[in-house]
Formats: sequence, structure tokens, C-alpha cells
Amino acid sequence: RKEVEQDPGPFNVPEGATVAFNCTYSNSASQSFFWYRQDCRKEPKLLMSVYSSGNEDGRFTAQLNRASQYISLLIRDSKLSDSATYLCVVTMSTSGTYKYIFGTGTRLKVLA
Amino acid sequence: DAGITQSPRHKVTETGTPVTLRCHQTENHRYMYWYRQDPGHGLRLIHYSYGVKDTDKGEVSDGYSVSRSKTEDFLLTLESATSSQTSVYFCAISGRASGNTIYFGEGSWLTVV
Repeated sequence: RKEVEQDPGPFNVPEGATVAFNCTYSNSASQSFFWYRQDCRKEPKLLMSVYSSGNEDGRFTAQLNRASQYISLLIRDSKLSDSATYLCVVTMSTSGTYKYIFGTGTRLKVLA
Repeated sequence: DAGITQSPRHKVTETGTPVTLRCHQTENHRYMYWYRQDPGHGLRLIHYSYGVKDTDKGEVSDGYSVSRSKTEDFLLTLESATSSQTSVYFCAISGRASGNTIYFGEGSWLTVV
């Protein structure tokens, strides 16, 4: 079983739709959680951190469920510019060093 | 921008030749990483560094070596390039100043023919 799993998609949604992605992680000792966005042939960029209480940034809402070991990303009112691959990232600390574990990404295509 | 520069950005090389990719940061972060990204595999850690001259292997380190002689520079060397090393390589940095968030360089596209 992969340490971090995501549905690869693609998710094809019309503009204005709401879309949700889930990401499951296998290690209950995981400490920090993030969503990154990656455009085609570009580097991954931080979209948002994910906090236990859930957090929102404009049209984006991230949630963490430690009991079920998953994080989610909700995008409301999708824009064409939201088309990208969304990577789930989980961290663990071993011997004082952070280890970042990446999902393979979920591809989103927002259609006009 | 995260203050990370990778060079070269694109390179085509022949099988069996050595190749060095350079990562330079201006953020003074302690940790530096080299990842490769391939379809179906996502980002895989090659090597990382936790300080000057302190490096360790990642999950796909065979055929690669690294060096960090200064805080700001992290070099990745393919000792004898093979076609399986054709990939995009991302350098990344993290540290307490970034809240342990990881930031990536723009990538180096390497083709081994």
C-alpha cells in the first residue's frame, strides 16, 4: 500500500462547479499536511496547509480527518485557471529530519 | 518566489556521460532535496542534505551522488547517465524559517539519449 494515495483523475468539471479531492495516508504518526498545485511542466507550489480544525482560503477549503487518516480539498466555483494537478503532501519527523511524502496527484480540468 | 535557482534548466546528454545539476538557494534554509518526477510515480526523493557536508540517501539514490560544500549550493551528479534517468529533476528547500514547508525550484529537464 502506498504511503499517500490519491485518485489520479482526471476530474473534468464545468466552470462554476464544486469539486472535492481526497487523499489517504497510511502512517498515523504523520504530522503535517499540505496541498500543492502543479501546472503542466512547472514546479509544485504550495496551495495551502491543512489544519486539524479545517481551514479555508477563498474558494478553497481543506480538512483533515486524523481518525480516518485522510485529508480533503474542496474547490468551490471552479475557474478555468484552477486546471492543474493537485498534490497531497504528508510529513513525518524521524530523528529530527522532516520526511515529505507526496501523492501522485489528482488532475483537474475545468471546462468552459 | 522561493529563491531557488536550478541549472541547467534543460539538458540533452549521451548515455555514459557524467552530468551535474546545480541547485542554488538564497534563503539560508538548512534542508535541501533532490527529487525526480516521472509519470505514474510522482515525486521521488533521490538525496537530501541537512547541512553543509551532511547528506543522506532517498528512495531512488542508485546512480546518483550529491555534494553540499556551502549552505546555498546542492549538486546532484549522475555519474554515468542512463536512459532510465531521463526525467525532470526538482530541487527543494525547507527549514524552520519556512515553517517546515517545502519549496521547489523550477526544475531541470534531462534527456539521456
